[in-house]
Amino acid sequence: GQNIDQPTEMTATEGAIVQINCTYQTSGFNGLFWYQQHAGEAPTFLSYNVLDGLEEKGRFSSFLSRSKGYSYLLLKELQMKDSASYLCAVKDSNYQLIWGAGTKLIIKP
Amino acid sequence: GAVVSQHPSWVICKSGTSVKIECRSLDFQATTMFWYRQFPKQSLMLMATSNEGSKATYEQGVEKDKFLINHASLTLSTLTVTSAHPEDSSFYICSATNVPGLAGGPTDTQYFGPGTRLTVL
Repeated sequence: GQNIDQPTEMTATEGAIVQINCTYQTSGFNGLFWYQQHAGEAPTFLSYNVLDGLEEKGRFSSFLSRSKGYSYLLLKELQMKDSASYLCAVKDSNYQLIWGAGTKLIIKP
Repeated sequence: GAVVSQHPSWVICKSGTSVKIECRSLDFQATTMFWYRQFPKQSLMLMATSNEGSKATYEQGVEKDKFLINHASLTLSTLTVTSAHPEDSSFYICSATNVPGLAGGPTDTQYFGPGTRLTVL
């Protein structure tokens, strides 16, 4: 079966750095997405990785290792507004998007 | 770019009535639109995939006669919840995928609408 694993919840301190991991087992791979979802709102697109390596976008970076079926989202200089759920999603061989359950990130002052 | 709107943002209806939710891509042509449902503290659940001009593809367990999807143009898809019941109360979210170059993201990036919160009494 297809599976995306993420930690259920993480806590970090304002101004610090946090890494949210995602491991996947899917039938084929055609890209990995990270989305941010604030409570009661729809997800917003953060990043896309299809090749191995690190993609940096301001305070957010996303890393991919296809051989390990592994990705992480790195958030630097955490702000209170970064408190949200972070969803990992993988596009499989049929170009279907398989969603993880999301990681709820709690930022403390 | 890549703005998707949904209407209404919230709706309360009586059991047995039907509710229509609209999803529009405002600044790009969406070849494919998706409808999701999300219960509190749970992840997104894909209900159906809709391509313009053709019938929607429903996920297993989703009743196509209850959740009617129409994708009449490249910028509009509608979801109608027919004969709604309290268990249909949920957060319904649509998303649309862009054509590269029109919205600036990578191929098949899903851009989400703001969601519609449905409460059935």
